[in-house]
Amino acid sequence: AQRVTQPEKLLSVFKGAPVELKCNYSYSGSPELFWYVQYSRQRLQLLLRHISRESIKGFTADLNKGETSFHLKKPFAQEEDSAMYYCAQRIYNQGGKLIFGQGTELSVKP
Amino acid sequence: DVKVTQSSRYLVKRTGEKVFLECVQDMDHENMFWYRQDPGLGLRLIYFSYDVKMKEKGDIPEGYSVSREKKERFSLILESASTNQTSMYLCASSTPGQGPYGYTFGSGTRLTVV
Repeated sequence: AQRVTQPEKLLSVFKGAPVELKCNYSYSGSPELFWYVQYSRQRLQLLLRHISRESIKGFTADLNKGETSFHLKKPFAQEEDSAMYYCAQRIYNQGGKLIFGQGTELSVKP
Repeated sequence: DVKVTQSSRYLVKRTGEKVFLECVQDMDHENMFWYRQDPGLGLRLIYFSYDVKMKEKGDIPEGYSVSREKKERFSLILESASTNQTSMYLCASSTPGQGPYGYTFGSGTRLTVV
């Protein structure tokens, strides 16, 4: 079965430090991958998807098929980046469902 | 601007009760999903539906059922609530295929079973 793995439950950094949230997937084909974010007391929302190759709120994520990874990066963390981050993969042959990783809580200290 | 609405933000139910969690979306999406969100486990798919009256089991369907009588509404049913079903439940909807924005989530229902 396809799996999405986020090895870190909690990542704590200081403001201005670089951030990398790790995500590995197990699907061997052409995956569609997403990062979702949930700020305190808010609903889960899409941050970015790999097909768009975009930068949202200073975050980027590159798909590395060789390492089956889709790590989320930001060069200079801000306090408002503190949130729960989930990596997700869409499974097309099963109704387009998303499978999620375990989540990483990012805490950015002043 | 709310697009996926879950009827209750907080619910407290007793063990053995039959519990209904309601979700309504106004985006005319074909696909709807129910997840539960638990610390350290992430989001786990319970059931999903890609059309009216259609349903598919997700990864953890035991103890749950669903109903989709209308396109906009997807209900999650706990047939006999147990304490291990205490969790945050998230509903989501999407268009089929490669929709540009992935899923739209509701704000969640925090269910406590006592």
